[in-house]
Amino acid sequence: NAGVMQNPRHLVRRRGQEARLRCSPMKGHSHVYWYRQLPEEGLKFMVYLQKENIIDESGMPKERFSAEFPKEGPSILRIQQVVRGDSAAYFCASSNGAPEQYFGPGTRLTVT
Amino acid sequence: RKEVEQDPGPFNVPEGATVAFNCTYSNSASQSFFWYRQDCRKEPKLLMSVYSSGNEDGRFTAQLNRASQYISLLIRDSKLSDSATYLCVVNMNTGFQKLVFGTGTRLLVSP
Repeated sequence: NAGVMQNPRHLVRRRGQEARLRCSPMKGHSHVYWYRQLPEEGLKFMVYLQKENIIDESGMPKERFSAEFPKEGPSILRIQQVVRGDSAAYFCASSNGAPEQYFGPGTRLTVT
Repeated sequence: RKEVEQDPGPFNVPEGATVAFNCTYSNSASQSFFWYRQDCRKEPKLLMSVYSSGNEDGRFTAQLNRASQYISLLIRDSKLSDSATYLCVVNMNTGFQKLVFGTGTRLLVSP
């Protein structure tokens, strides 16, 4: 399967714990984008990364959220000290630099 | 004004009907536009890209009106499997590929 892969698909965390979401882009893609979708809302851009670089993180909350895309391995979105409001679907998309982005199946984070 | 606006619907249509959705965007510098389809609790899937005045792919036709800053999606001969949420997406042309999503228009096709 050469599509975008995300894991885990479902993640449950208690308030105050850390959440780590992983994304492996489509084969041949080096551009990764993270989006968040709250229940009954549209997708909101969070961060755009290329290998080892954060290109734009204008949609990322200033505190508790961080993202990386190391030279080897998947991109990781990290949420520290999760709160109930972080419960959402987190989608990763990838591209080869063209405008079209292709999405992974998402990680559904539930904070209890 | 929202960057991308869509009528949330739902649009309820019978099989075989023709249905059209409109979407307006605020950034006149936007260069590329897309329609994605999202099924319940799943990832958005790219349906069509729109770069010039329009694009057609089988039963689906997208049109772009730059002067009025709106994009439309027309679905002909609706199928039950077309039931989904259709997302209007605009590339904001900020120097890199930053997509802004509308909240979607829900379509329900009934037998």
